[in-house]
Amino acid sequence: RKEVEQDPGPFNVPEGATVAFNCTYSNSASQSFFWYRQDCRKEPKLLMSVYSSGNEDGRFTAQLNRASQYISLLIRDSKLSDSATYLCVVPNQAGTALIFGKGTTLSVSS
Amino acid sequence: ETGVTQSPTHLIKTRGQQVTLRCSSQSGHNTVSWYQQALGQGPQFIFQYYREEENGRGNFPPRFSGLQFPNYSSELNVNALELDDSALYLCASSRGLAGARETQYFGPGTRLLVL
Repeated sequence: RKEVEQDPGPFNVPEGATVAFNCTYSNSASQSFFWYRQDCRKEPKLLMSVYSSGNEDGRFTAQLNRASQYISLLIRDSKLSDSATYLCVVPNQAGTALIFGKGTTLSVSS
Repeated sequence: ETGVTQSPTHLIKTRGQQVTLRCSSQSGHNTVSWYQQALGQGPQFIFQYYREEENGRGNFPPRFSGLQFPNYSSELNVNALELDDSALYLCASSRGLAGARETQYFGPGTRLLVL
């Protein structure tokens, strides 16, 4: 299993849709998890941190399933401005590096 | 804005040349990490510097080297450039040795093209 693996994209959804991305990770000892958002030709920006079973921030919900070693990101009521690449990120065991998935591209259309 | 700055924003080099990229970390942060992001891929960890010492390295050859200065700014040097070195180079600043477990703040990146 790859260290961090994400759903292949792209996801093309209409405005107002609900969309979910899944991510699996290989290190069962991982304690913290992140979702980053990256706009085209820009740097990644932290969207959400996930330290326990889940986290909710407005239209965004991240859930963690430690037994199955997967993290999900749910976006409700999609907006055009949500169009971006979403990166699932897990720190390495030493905590010195972030391990990124390849990213899942979301395109929201009107 | 994260307060992390990088220079230059864009760079074009030819194979075999050497390049130096620069990063200024956010105020109060003593850890800088460098990542390489090839087109269509997620960022890959190159190395991390904590208080001027290398504190971890990814799977990159020795021709990728770095420095961190007393003010915690950092440089990434790449010697003998290859075509595959063409990528977006990102630096991220954070606090502490295990900074990856905390929030890392990314700079805007340097886009390097090797011809």
